[in-house]
Amino acid sequence: KNQVEQSPQSLIILEGKNCTLQCNYTVSPFSNLRWYKQDTGRGPVSLTIMTFSENTKSNGRYTATLDADTKQSSLHITASQLSDSASYICVVSLRGSYIPTFGRGTSLIVHP
Amino acid sequence: GAVVSQHPSRVICKSGTSVKIECRSLDFQATTMFWYRQFPKKSLMLMATSNEGSKATYEQGVEKDKFLINHASLTLSTLTVTSAHPEDSSFYICSAMGWDGYTFGSGTRLTVV
Repeated sequence: KNQVEQSPQSLIILEGKNCTLQCNYTVSPFSNLRWYKQDTGRGPVSLTIMTFSENTKSNGRYTATLDADTKQSSLHITASQLSDSASYICVVSLRGSYIPTFGRGTSLIVHP
Repeated sequence: GAVVSQHPSRVICKSGTSVKIECRSLDFQATTMFWYRQFPKKSLMLMATSNEGSKATYEQGVEKDKFLINHASLTLSTLTVTSAHPEDSSFYICSAMGWDGYTFGSGTRLTVV
């Protein structure tokens, strides 16, 4: 069964600190992996998209990594801000399929 | 990037009435759109895949007579919750495959009283 597992389930950090979120997947054949940020009561917004050949991609303070061999991805947030408090969702797409597989998300809370 | 507009953002309705939620792709054509439901602090659950000009494909356990989907044009899909009950209260989100990947609408908070 194709799965996407995220860890930790929730995370609390102080403003200004860095953090790393993990995503492991068993989806095959792999097409791409995306990280989304979902604020409470809002739709998810794309942060990064990574294909098989890409190892690292940055979007401001967000840096995503992908190891296609071990089927692992991480999202690193640098110098966290209060506005980073949200749910971060890892979404993996299969080659040849329109329907993605969602992780359950990591709930991040940034405290002042 | 590609934009998906979802309307309304919030709706409160009485039990037994029907509610229609619209999902529009603003700057691209979407032959396929997706409808999700999300409970508090839970992951998005795919309800159905909406196909332009044909019947929607519903996920197992989703009542197609309860959640009517219409995708009459390449830029508009609608989800109608028929004979709504309090247990239908939830956050509904649509998405479409745009030129830069999956783009989500901003969601609709449905409360049935």
